[in-house]
Amino acid sequence: ELKVEQNPLFLSMQEGKNYTIYCNYSTTSDRLYWYRQDPGKSLESLFVLLSNGAVKQEGRLMASLDTKARLSTLHITAAVHDLSATYFCADDRGSTLGRLYFGRGTQLTVWP
Amino acid sequence: SAVISQKPSRDICQRGTSLTIQCQVDSQVTMMFWYRQQPGQSLTLIATANQGSEATYESGFVIDKFPISRPNLTFSTLTVSNMSPEDSSIYLCSVLGQGTYNEQFFGPGTRLTVL
Repeated sequence: ELKVEQNPLFLSMQEGKNYTIYCNYSTTSDRLYWYRQDPGKSLESLFVLLSNGAVKQEGRLMASLDTKARLSTLHITAAVHDLSATYFCADDRGSTLGRLYFGRGTQLTVWP
Repeated sequence: SAVISQKPSRDICQRGTSLTIQCQVDSQVTMMFWYRQQPGQSLTLIATANQGSEATYESGFVIDKFPISRPNLTFSTLTVSNMSPEDSSIYLCSVLGQGTYNEQFFGPGTRLTVL
């Protein structure tokens, strides 16, 4: 069965701390996508990682992709409350037809 | 990125009825998709809405339950037929971006409650 697995599913962290969310996928895709969802809102595209070794950074978030290990990470540096949201990774299973298959999401809560 | 709107934003429906959800995009797009997000869960792809031909459904989803129309490059509808409480979900449409590979942009979603 093709899977996209995220861990942890729930993450509660203090402001200023660092942490990493992991995304394992089971296909041979070279591409991995990260999205953010605020409560009651739709999804916002954060990062698109297109090849092995890809690293992208936006503010306090940095995403990387290791296609050999079929692992992507989303690293949070010096967390702030505004980062509280649910983060999803998604895999396209190597297809260019646009379909995405999502992990269960990591619900991040950042507290003072 | 495209601006995507959905109607209705939310609805409460009775068991056995059907609801049609509309998705409108402000520019022409080649690919449109429909997803379901059950309470507290991730997104599950229902189907790809193809312009001018039948939708392509994912495993576990059938046309009789989720008929989809795509009359042009800016509009699609998803109907949830013969609803049961298990259909209570958020339904989101998305479009493929013009740039990076399979990056998609999502509409605001339709929150459906079936009693």
